[in-house]
Amino acid sequence: EVQLVESGGGLVQPGRSLRLSCAASGFTFDDYAMHWVRQAPGKGLEWVSGISWNSGSIGYADSVKGRFTISRDNAKNSLYLQMNSLRAEDTALYYCAKDGYSSSWFSPFDYWGQGTLVTVSS
Amino acid sequence: EIVLTQSPGTLSLSPGERATLSCRASQSVSSSYLAWYQQKPGQAPRLLIYGASSRATGIPDRFSGSGSGTDFTLTISRLEPEDFAVYYCQQYGSSLRTFGQGTKVEIK
Repeated sequence: EVQLVESGGGLVQPGRSLRLSCAASGFTFDDYAMHWVRQAPGKGLEWVSGISWNSGSIGYADSVKGRFTISRDNAKNSLYLQMNSLRAEDTALYYCAKDGYSSSWFSPFDYWGQGTLVTVSS
Repeated sequence: EIVLTQSPGTLSLSPGERATLSCRASQSVSSSYLAWYQQKPGQAPRLLIYGASSRATGIPDRFSGSGSGTDFTLTISRLEPEDFAVYYCQQYGSSLRTFGQGTKVEIK
């Protein structure tokens, strides 16, 4: 059974940093691209960042480019999101999502975690 | 960045009725890399449709997707009580994935 478990969320002051983690199990992690998607309270889905299975391709939404860094450790079956210079508008539930096709960079997201909440406030 | 615009924002229908949701892209979506997701309150999104028209594993055949280029449609042929939710389209044909703003299907 595929499982994606996010952690690392919490309350943080504007301008500070936070690192999110996603622990994956139930599939061959290093075969699949992975993504972070966020959802502000009461709002829609926003793709944040994605990383290919071998870290050779990485993408960021314009809203986080230069502030957030995605990475993965295939030996630990883990995905990360380093978030720096946090702003109030970064407040959201952050989901980890798995690509549906192995060894592909263009794929829908077939499994999602339950999310970790990040609140940016003084 | 490809902007996806969904319409209507809210659809008020009764169980048994047909739902038609629209997703329009600001530029052509390559290879019909267009997906639809369903999200219920307090839950993560669930993949319904990928490649514009292929149903994901376990999705009932009352859900169907169509379209190409810049215009895509999700149709629910006969609404079941569990189908009342928010639906999002997503394009995954560019390195910057984007979602539409969502359509809420509510009970009339």
